[in-house]
Amino acid sequence: QSALTQPASVSGYPGQSITISCTGTSNDIGLYNLVSWYQQHPGKAPKLLIYEVSKWPSGVSNRFSGSKSGNTASLTISGLQADDEADYYCCSKSLSHTGIVVFGGGTRLTVL
Amino acid sequence: EVQLVESGGLVVQPGGSLRLSCAASGFPFNDFSIHWVRQTPGKSLEWLCLINKRGDVTYYADSLRGRFTVSRDNSQNSVFLQMSSLETEDTAIYYCAKEMRGTQFVSFDYWGRGALVTVSS
Repeated sequence: QSALTQPASVSGYPGQSITISCTGTSNDIGLYNLVSWYQQHPGKAPKLLIYEVSKWPSGVSNRFSGSKSGNTASLTISGLQADDEADYYCCSKSLSHTGIVVFGGGTRLTVL
Repeated sequence: EVQLVESGGLVVQPGGSLRLSCAASGFPFNDFSIHWVRQTPGKSLEWLCLINKRGDVTYYADSLRGRFTVSRDNSQNSVFLQMSSLETEDTAIYYCAKEMRGTQFVSFDYWGRGALVTVSS
């Protein structure tokens, strides 16, 4: 069981916006502004989309945006495109004894 | 071009040991922390460990129960993951990932393609 909770799947039509939630605790997401999001296409390595809650790494589209409220972080993808179909993972620094970095269970995005 | 290349993935029997390597290029290797993350078939990512740029600070996931050890050789631009007492549950793709400059712990801007480790009798 992953430390951060994400919905197993979300879906949307091209051009629409979707939001993926990532729920943690006061020992991780609620404590640190150190949340990142990754996109992973089948058979590929993860790709960094968002870091430190809402910042974009160089080369990442601003169609991807991040936010945080309390113990929950969110990734919003606007103007859905077919290539956005992938798995998405959140990640946070953690104070937990289980490890200083924790991932979410992942969300499969289907573009209808 | 930044590259991370994992090697050493094999089929190993339960109880066995294995050492993975991560060869880095295209960036000042001794300026960055490196992490190991694994992904079991069809499942989520699991953070395993990190080693700081000098190699004198390491952190591990508690779930590893002391079975894995991370090290680095900055003269070879390489990081190593020594795994022992392997269990079938350790079957996974193992990725090394570079920590992004100026961030803390959770921002990995470059990943390798992964090394497949299969633990089976």
